[in-house]
Formats: sequence, structure tokens, C-alpha cells
Amino acid sequence: GQQVMQIPQYQHVQEGEDFTTYCNSSTTLSNIQWYKQRPGGHPVFLIQLVKSGEVKKQKRLTFQFGEAKKNSSLHITATQTTDVGTYFCAVGPDGSARQLTFGSGTQLTVLP
Amino acid sequence: EAGVAQSPRYKIIEKRQSVAFWCNPISGHATLYWYQQILGQGPKLLIQFQNNGVVDDSQLPKDRFSAERLKGVDSTLKIQPAKLEDSAVYLCASSPGAGEGTQYFGPGTRLTVT
Repeated sequence: GQQVMQIPQYQHVQEGEDFTTYCNSSTTLSNIQWYKQRPGGHPVFLIQLVKSGEVKKQKRLTFQFGEAKKNSSLHITATQTTDVGTYFCAVGPDGSARQLTFGSGTQLTVLP
Repeated sequence: EAGVAQSPRYKIIEKRQSVAFWCNPISGHATLYWYQQILGQGPKLLIQFQNNGVVDDSQLPKDRFSAERLKGVDSTLKIQPAKLEDSAVYLCASSPGAGEGTQYFGPGTRLTVT
């Protein structure tokens, strides 16, 4: 399956600061999904990106897919304590690999 | 709409014992997945079913793990015998289509092997 590297592994921010996590691959990706997992919870789907250069927004969250479709980012503006959790990127199935491969995740801590 | 159901939520066993986990996907979802999530890591796919057939089990340790989805609805994952390194959360997920699109995860079963 396709492999993705996710950085940083951990991020501590003060409430109100911005946060960004990055997902990188050495190969071209067919699509990428982002999930959020609260402490003690299960992954919850946030969004899927498919097109080169695609940008999608969900309130304070901005998702980008690189022009070469080899990287993606999730940016949170003005973090809140409710944003605490681990954010995973996951590479979706394509014609040759049907499994969803998750990155290692970025654990976000928001300090009040 | 009811979500993905899993049981039990927690299980503690000794090494070399057997354990089984149960999953009931969202009604009408054709695809069912079992993932293993070790603490501090992302979920790793163990097996994927499309209805009652196996689509991908390349990462399932078949010498000790088995899974079935006999009627194409709920599924059981078994470990026999368990090892210490099997301690993890076992997540079940389902999706409507043929391995594409959003996956909906259940609450997971936290397994501790002592």
C-alpha cells in the first residue's frame, strides 16, 4: 500500500494560536482523507481531497492537496480547546491498493 | 442513524488465551473493515470485507488472527492464541461503497494482553 509521513508528531499550542499538520508521500496519491480522533475516542472522518491543488474549508479548518498530489495539509485557525485530539491523514484506495493507509498522526494539545 | 456497534469495549486476557470481538456495521453498508491501533500509532488495516467476501487480508497475521462475515452483515475477529504485542484497540469501520469514500468507525475494543 501507499505510505505517508505525517509531521509533526506532537504539537502544543496556546488557545487562539494557529496549528498546521502536514502529510507527505513519495508517490502520487489518488486522494487523501483526514480524520480526527479525540482522546479515548475513535477516528471521525473530516474530509476527502481528490483534485490537484484542491482547497477545502470547514469553519476554522482549511485542507489543502498539493499540486503534485504528493502532500496535503490541515490548518486550524485560532485553535480552541475542543480541537484537542490526534489528526490523521489517510491515503484512500486507488486502482491498485484498496486499503486505507493511515499516517502516524499529529497529536494536538491546546493549552487554555 | 445508528452507528457502528462493537463489543466488548474492554477485554483483559492472559497471553496464549483466545479472544473474540464483534462488530455490527451501519445498516446497508457493504464494506466492513477491521483495524488494529497500537497506542501512539495510526490504525492499521487487518482485513476488509465486501459483503461476505474478503477483499484484502494482506496484513492479517493469519497464524493467529481470523475473521468472518458469514451473512454479509456483522463480523467477528478472533485472536488465538494472543501475544503480548496484540495489546491494542481493535476498531471496526464500515462504508457504503466498494472500499471508497468515508469510513465510519465504531468505538473500538481495547484489548490488554498480560
